[in-house]
Amino acid sequence: SQTIHQWPATLVQPVGSPLSLECTVEGTSNPNLYWYRQAAGRGLQLLFYSVGIGQISSEVPQNLSASRPQDRQFILSSKKLLLSDSGFYLCAWSSGANTEAFFGQGTRLTVV
Amino acid sequence: QQQVKQSPQSLIVQKGGIPIINCAYENTAFDYFPWYQQFPGKGPALLIAIRPDVSEKKEGRFTISFNKSAKQFSLHIMDSQPGDSATYFCAASRGGSEKLVFGKGTKLTVNP
Repeated sequence: SQTIHQWPATLVQPVGSPLSLECTVEGTSNPNLYWYRQAAGRGLQLLFYSVGIGQISSEVPQNLSASRPQDRQFILSSKKLLLSDSGFYLCAWSSGANTEAFFGQGTRLTVV
Repeated sequence: QQQVKQSPQSLIVQKGGIPIINCAYENTAFDYFPWYQQFPGKGPALLIAIRPDVSEKKEGRFTISFNKSAKQFSLHIMDSQPGDSATYFCAASRGGSEKLVFGKGTKLTVNP
């Protein structure tokens, strides 16, 4: 069966520090991978999605970047965190367009 | 064109009641409409999904009603239980697109 791993679960980082959140998927090949950010009262905002290795689409301009160095690995990064980067970050995968998206457990990021 | 509007923002019902959550969309190209359930501190999980070729879909106590002409769809929870207390998100995507557009969520509380 397929599983998605996302870590860490919580993270407190100072302003200006770098960020690296990792997500891996097991049990499937060539998944579509997604990074979402969830803010209170704002729902789930799609940040990045990837349909293959090295293929990244950015949905909103921001202080973050994403990379997909391997088929089942998706990384969310920042060189210098801002206070506004605080939030709940969710990684997800799907087997294709218009199919169910499976979410990880999320990372609660607090920038102080 | 990409927006999905969800209401109400929060909802409180008594055990056994039938909460109804509504969503409206603008993009007529959307053809996949899932509902996700999220418990605090967890990632969302697919609850039920519908495609526009049917007007209603039931899975257990959960029902989606779909009105293509009005561009609206809704989630009904029959015989609601305290364990149904969670945040519910509607979403939509269009054929060939990897992107799910989410509503802002509804926080449901079912009192014993």
